Amino acid sequence: GESVGLHLPTLSVQEGDNSIINCAYSNSASDYFIWYKQESGKGPQFIIDIRSNMDKRQGQRVTVLLNKTVKHLSLQIAATQPGDSAVYFCAGLISGGYQKVTFGTGTKLQVIP
Amino acid sequence: EPEVTQTPSHQVTQMGQEVILRCVPISNHLYFYWYRQILGQKVEFLVSFYNNEISEKSEIFDDQFSVERPDGSNFTLKIRSTKLEDSAMYFCASRASGVVSYNEQFFGPGTRLTVL
Repeated sequence: GESVGLHLPTLSVQEGDNSIINCAYSNSASDYFIWYKQESGKGPQFIIDIRSNMDKRQGQRVTVLLNKTVKHLSLQIAATQPGDSAVYFCAGLISGGYQKVTFGTGTKLQVIP
Repeated sequence: EPEVTQTPSHQVTQMGQEVILRCVPISNHLYFYWYRQILGQKVEFLVSFYNNEISEKSEIFDDQFSVERPDGSNFTLKIRSTKLEDSAMYFCASRASGVVSYNEQFFGPGTRLTVL
């Protein structure tokens, strides 16, 4: 069956350092992968997506890397700030239909001031 | 900036009672979704809705669940007879059509449902 997201539960990073959040997927039919950020008391917020035929995509202060060989996805956050503290989910999506998103279990990022 | 809103923020109900969770999606969006998140677990897809009908639903979305868009702004999730295991955070999401925001679903802040 489809499975997205096997995470370490918590990542602690010093403010100003770069963060790398990892996600593994197995047997997924997703043709897009998405990173969401969920702050305490809020709903998930779209950060960046990557099509499955790409291996890298950059956004503002974030980079997503996709390694299809080992079925691994990562989110890199440059110069991590206290406002980056949140739970980060990777998710898979099959486009062309109504775009049900399949979420992983999440990684909590704690930024140490 | 437009946002998805949900009411109430917290709903407490007795087992067997009906609840209606309400959402106001972003006004020009055409695709609507409900997800739930049981405490400490991942966000799970429940249902998608487009053109006034359900387009896809998960195995969680059984006969006890229904969705409706009663007017041009609201999108509701009804649970007819709540069970203890329905206790969760319920998120509404909406998405525009078009190339630029093709994959971006905008989530509301959620309704925490507690079934006693």
